[in-house]
Amino acid sequence: DTAVSQTPKYLVTQMGNDKSIKCEQNLGHDTMYWYKQDSKKFLKIMFSYNNKELIINETVPNRFSPKSPDKAHLNLHINSLELGDSAVYFCASSPRLAGGPNEQFFGPGTRLTVL
Amino acid sequence: DAKTTQPPSMDCAEGRAANLPCNHSTISGNEYVYWYRQIHSQGPQYIIHGLKNNETNEMASLIITEDRKSSTLILPHATLRDTAVYYCIVRSNNFGNEKLTFGTGTRLTIIP
Repeated sequence: DTAVSQTPKYLVTQMGNDKSIKCEQNLGHDTMYWYKQDSKKFLKIMFSYNNKELIINETVPNRFSPKSPDKAHLNLHINSLELGDSAVYFCASSPRLAGGPNEQFFGPGTRLTVL
Repeated sequence: DAKTTQPPSMDCAEGRAANLPCNHSTISGNEYVYWYRQIHSQGPQYIIHGLKNNETNEMASLIITEDRKSSTLILPHATLRDTAVYYCIVRSNNFGNEKLTFGTGTRLTIIP
């Protein structure tokens, strides 16, 4: 199926650990994103990449490092995990069309719990 | 910060039309109105978007006022599966501005 997929779906880890969340899209889109949804359900952009190039970095701590090996993948690495990193992380992708709809397709989310 | 204002919650009877309002009084001339929804625990789902004219697709209709300061999303025949949080978002379609800035949305509950 064509979609945005994320792994793992759930991630439980201890404070101080380093973890990664993977995202893949097979929609042929040029732009990929990471969003964070906290316990209060606020959904905020973290990063945006276009064709492996960083476009948006919304003052995310440098413990978070996105890595895009190719335009179909945007992985999120988190170092030295903190309690406040517990959230649901959503990956998304969109085509990059000048003046176009730029509809974003979201993955199912990864629920990260830091103990 | 989100540039839209939505009621926090609404109820609608199953089978009736659900009308979700959104105020965006500071919208700029090149900014579109987008609607997304998030069904419990899932990723947000695109519904519809528009600039000036009213729009309709297989999911919903979008009515934008002439001054573009407000809009209404209409789900013509609401079903229980339409229970979700609905987000109204304004943004331009210029390169470098691809992010979506989500507000608090409207929690729509469809009543059987």
